[in-house]
Amino acid sequence: SQQGEEDPQALSIQEGENATMNCSYKTSINNLQWYRQNSGRGLVHLILIRSNEREKHSGRLRVTLDTSKKSSSLLITASRAADTASYFCATDAKSGNQFYFGTGTSLTVIP
Amino acid sequence: KAGVTQTPRYLIKTRGQQVTLSCSPISGHRSVSWYQQTPGQGLQFLFEYFSETQRNKGNFPGRFSGRQFSNSRSEMNVSTLELGDSALYLCASSSARERTEAFFGQGTRLTVV
Repeated sequence: SQQGEEDPQALSIQEGENATMNCSYKTSINNLQWYRQNSGRGLVHLILIRSNEREKHSGRLRVTLDTSKKSSSLLITASRAADTASYFCATDAKSGNQFYFGTGTSLTVIP
Repeated sequence: KAGVTQTPRYLIKTRGQQVTLSCSPISGHRSVSWYQQTPGQGLQFLFEYFSETQRNKGNFPGRFSGRQFSNSRSEMNVSTLELGDSALYLCASSSARERTEAFFGQGTRLTVV
């Protein structure tokens, strides 16, 4: 299976702290995306990083990609209670718009 | 610009019945993908359509089928429902042919009793 895995499975932090979650995948990719999902809702696209990029920023989000280790990390700085959600990484298949999702990290930010 | 719209939001069906779910992609997007999300299996890819053609298919039985219309709207059909089909079904639309961001709808929560 090409499914990735997020680590940790669950993370609980205080508001204002930084949250880091990691994603490992198995095959070569063209790009990697991070998504957020609030309980029982749809996925919200956060950021896309291409295989030739090493780091990308978007607001309080910082994503890194290490293709040699087949891993990516998502850092959320100065976390807020509203950041409480599950976070998934998704890698693309060889063609088309089929994505392989990781198992997700459940983040709880305590006010 | 309106987002991805899935209907209905919630659905309860009985074992053995069939169900059709609908997805309207973002205007101008021609790629529509379907995913099944369950607590045990996570997000699993069902199939992808581009310009009315199925391009990719996941490892689901033939009871799961789909189609895409000329206006890019897509439907997913599940026949002979089983209890294990209870899940959140998510639709995603993408603008380009491949390797681009996918934008998801809110999903249809299907419960089979």
